[in-house]
Amino acid sequence: QKEVEQNSGPLSVPEGAIASLNCTYSDRGSQSFFWYRQYSGKSPELIMSIYSNGDKEDGRFTAQLNKASQYVSLLIRDSQPSDSATYLCAVKRNTPLVFGKGTRLSVIA
Amino acid sequence: DAMVIQNPRYQVTQFGKPVTLSCSQTLNHNVMYWYQQKSSQAPKLLFHYYDKDFNNEADTPDNFQSRRPNTSFCFLDIRSPGLGDAAMYLCATSRDTGETQYFGPGTRLLVL
Repeated sequence: QKEVEQNSGPLSVPEGAIASLNCTYSDRGSQSFFWYRQYSGKSPELIMSIYSNGDKEDGRFTAQLNKASQYVSLLIRDSQPSDSATYLCAVKRNTPLVFGKGTRLSVIA
Repeated sequence: DAMVIQNPRYQVTQFGKPVTLSCSQTLNHNVMYWYQQKSSQAPKLLFHYYDKDFNNEADTPDNFQSRRPNTSFCFLDIRSPGLGDAAMYLCATSRDTGETQYFGPGTRLLVL
């Protein structure tokens, strides 16, 4: 079983819709969780981090963590074409972070 | 602005010709990382430094070496690049291991 799993996509959503990106992880002892956005040919940039069960909101982005289910998700409200990118989930297992392969999101205008 | 800088942004080298990629940071972070990322793949950690302590990933080829002469700078040396080493090389830093990592813009390496 891979340590951090994401559906590679592409996930296509219409402009203005909610995009839901999911990530599962195998190590129940994982402590910290991160979402990065990566545009094609660019480096990853941090969107959000989450450490406790529940929801964390930042603007149009909401991260959701469920440690019992070993599941972390990212919701993007009012999706824009500029949100089209690959979204990487990263998990702190021991040291350092373990990255998933990413989900490619395409927002259709 | 505090940041992570990588030079050069694009590097072309010949098969077997040694190449060095550079990373510097103004964040004063303890940890510096080097990742290799190929198209449609996750960033693959090659090694990281916690201060001067070097930590090599088990599956990193011997062809890849690193140096960190001081807190601000870290170098990736590829001793004999092969065609399979063509990739984006990402440098990242964090205050401590497992904390938020901040990435530089990357160096895209092409091997001819």
